[in-house]
Amino acid sequence: EAGVTQSPTHLIKTRGQQATLRCSPISGHTSVYWYQQALGLGLQFLLWYDEGEERNRGNFPPRFSGRQFPNYSSELNVNALELEDSALYLCASSLAGQGARETQYFGPGTRLLVL
Amino acid sequence: QQPVQSPQAVILREGEDAVINCSSSKALYSVHWYRQKHGEAPVFLMILLKGGEQKGHEKISASFNEKKQQSSLYLTASQLSYSGTYFCGTETVDSWGKLQFGAGTQVVVTP
Repeated sequence: EAGVTQSPTHLIKTRGQQATLRCSPISGHTSVYWYQQALGLGLQFLLWYDEGEERNRGNFPPRFSGRQFPNYSSELNVNALELEDSALYLCASSLAGQGARETQYFGPGTRLLVL
Repeated sequence: QQPVQSPQAVILREGEDAVINCSSSKALYSVHWYRQKHGEAPVFLMILLKGGEQKGHEKISASFNEKKQQSSLYLTASQLSYSGTYFCGTETVDSWGKLQFGAGTQVVVTP
């Protein structure tokens, strides 16, 4: 069974541009979570989508947004990129959203570099 | 609020045991444990739920003290493959679905 997939693997942007990151969950999973991991740091919760709806978001500015499509894949958009947005962005998926009471499986991540 | 993990780092010889602790200032719904190797995605180890349910790998053991809002991960008879950074993620009762991760515990197992 295929795991969580993310694209692209690497993304280089300049300050002020927009970045779009994509995630495909494990088949049968309806919840998708996004995390930011800055170099050498822990994971910071960004967003949780379930059944197409945003269920919760972390302490990030509104320029971090996303959506979940009918096939449960998800997109994370980061507008007006800043240098400190450079990080590994991880997507995770789980079975139907019972909060975080289901195991989350992580994808390989997208490494975003903002110059 | 971010949970607190301890210790920050531990060095073990193969076969030795270690305990990693994770504590929260708020009541918890769930605690998740992951191991991440350099340059790789976090790998699921165990989830512990309020009420006592646990799901995880057979070779990993952990405890969840709901009253103390703490969890511990036990690395027993460590192997070289146990090296990596261990993260606990906690879901508090006032933030449904939002996993807050600790800063991580770096574990190095030497021959």
